[in-house]
Amino acid sequence: EAQVTQNPRYLITVTGKKLTVTCSQNMNHEYMSWYRQDPGLGLRQIYYSMNVEVTDKGDVPEGYKVSRKEKRNFPLILESPSPNQTSLYFCAIRSRFTDTQYFGPGTRLTVL
Amino acid sequence: GESVGLHLPTLSVQEGDNSIINCAYSNSASDYFIWYKQESGKGPQFIIDIRSNMDKRQGQRVTVLLNKTVKHLSLQIAATQPGDSAVYFCAESYTGRRALTFGSGTRLQVQP
Repeated sequence: EAQVTQNPRYLITVTGKKLTVTCSQNMNHEYMSWYRQDPGLGLRQIYYSMNVEVTDKGDVPEGYKVSRKEKRNFPLILESPSPNQTSLYFCAIRSRFTDTQYFGPGTRLTVL
Repeated sequence: GESVGLHLPTLSVQEGDNSIINCAYSNSASDYFIWYKQESGKGPQFIIDIRSNMDKRQGQRVTVLLNKTVKHLSLQIAATQPGDSAVYFCAESYTGRRALTFGSGTRLQVQP
C-alpha cells in the first residue's frame, strides 16, 4: 500500500516566518505533488514533480517553492507565509504507469 | 477533525440502502475520472477510477458510471454502511495534464 507521510501534521505560525512542510514516500514513485484544500474550493494543485530535479507549477503556485533533490522527498517551502496561506495541505504520489494519485494524511497550517 | 467544507451538499441515507453521488464536469477533453473518499482528519482515499473509453466500472460495493454526452459522473455505493459516512470528491484530468481537477464534494451521512 502506498505510504505518504507529512510533517508536521499541524502548524501554527506567524506572517513572514519561513517554514517547510515535508513529504516522504516509500513507493519509489516518480510523480509527487502538493495540493491545498479550502472550503468551497476543493483541492487545488500547487506544484508537482515528475522526477528528481524536475518540478513545475500547478494551478496555485504563488507564495510557494518546492524542491526534489531525492526521489522519496518533496518538501513544500513557504518563504514568507501570509494569512491567505492558511489551509489544509496534501502531498500526493503517483507511479508513472498509472493515473491514480495517493494522498498523504494532510498538514493543517494556520498563519496568524 | 478537519473540516473539508462548511456548506457541502449532503446526502443522507439509511444503513443498508444504496447511495448515489453525482458529479458534473465541464471539460470535454477530460478522459480520466476518479472518486475519492475523505474522512474527517484524513487525506483523500482512492475509491475507483474510470477512463473515457468506458461507461461503467465496478469495484467492491462501488460502481462508477460515466455519461460523456451530458458530462456526468456518478458513484453508486451498494448496501451503504456507517463506515461509508464521509465527504466524497470526484476529480477529472486529461492526457498531458499533471493535475487532478476536483469537485467541491458531497457529504454522505449514513443513518443507523
